[in-house]
Amino acid sequence: QKEVEQNSGPLSVPEGAIASLNCTYSDRGSQSFFWYRQYSGKSPELIMSIYSNGDKEDGRFTAQLNKASQYVSLLIRDSQPSDSATYLCAVTQTAGGTSYGKLTFGQGTILTVHP
Amino acid sequence: NAGVMQNPRHLVRRRGQEARLRCSPMKGHSHVYWYRQLPEEGLKFMVYLQKENIIDESGMPKERFSAEFPKEGPSILRIQQVVRGDSAAYFCASGLPGANVLTFGAGSRLTVL
Repeated sequence: QKEVEQNSGPLSVPEGAIASLNCTYSDRGSQSFFWYRQYSGKSPELIMSIYSNGDKEDGRFTAQLNKASQYVSLLIRDSQPSDSATYLCAVTQTAGGTSYGKLTFGQGTILTVHP
Repeated sequence: NAGVMQNPRHLVRRRGQEARLRCSPMKGHSHVYWYRQLPEEGLKFMVYLQKENIIDESGMPKERFSAEFPKEGPSILRIQQVVRGDSAAYFCASGLPGANVLTFGAGSRLTVL
């Protein structure tokens, strides 16, 4: 079983629709959860972080975390063609009481928003 | 305020040669991470360093790969005797001590012929 699993897609949605991206993780010790966006040939860019159960909204983006189900999702409202990219889910644990940036990434979900 | 600087952006090596990738963290960041992204695969953690100290190298291949972050100068990821399977994008990221929010550099793309 992969540590962090995402639907590889590709996910195709029309412009203006809601894109829903899902991620599950296997380690119950995971503490912090991130969504990165990566355009083709570019570096990952952090778009959302979430640390506690529930929803977190930032503009058109909403991250949802359910630690009991070991599930984290990203909703993109009013999707735009410029949102077309690979979305990477990443989790990290706290080791020995110290949190640091050792991220475990999923394979990524390719999102295409068509006009 | 420059971000994470990586160079070279593109590097071509023949099998058996050495590759050296450099990374300067963001101003104010003292911790550096290296990640590798193989073609059609996700990002994989390789190593976590602070100045003059390797904190976690659990993701580094046991042979041919090494990393350092000297007191002065950039962090260096060194790959000796490269093989075709080393062809990948190598990303450096930096963060504050104890923080798990990272800023990634643009990456160094290694091609092994």
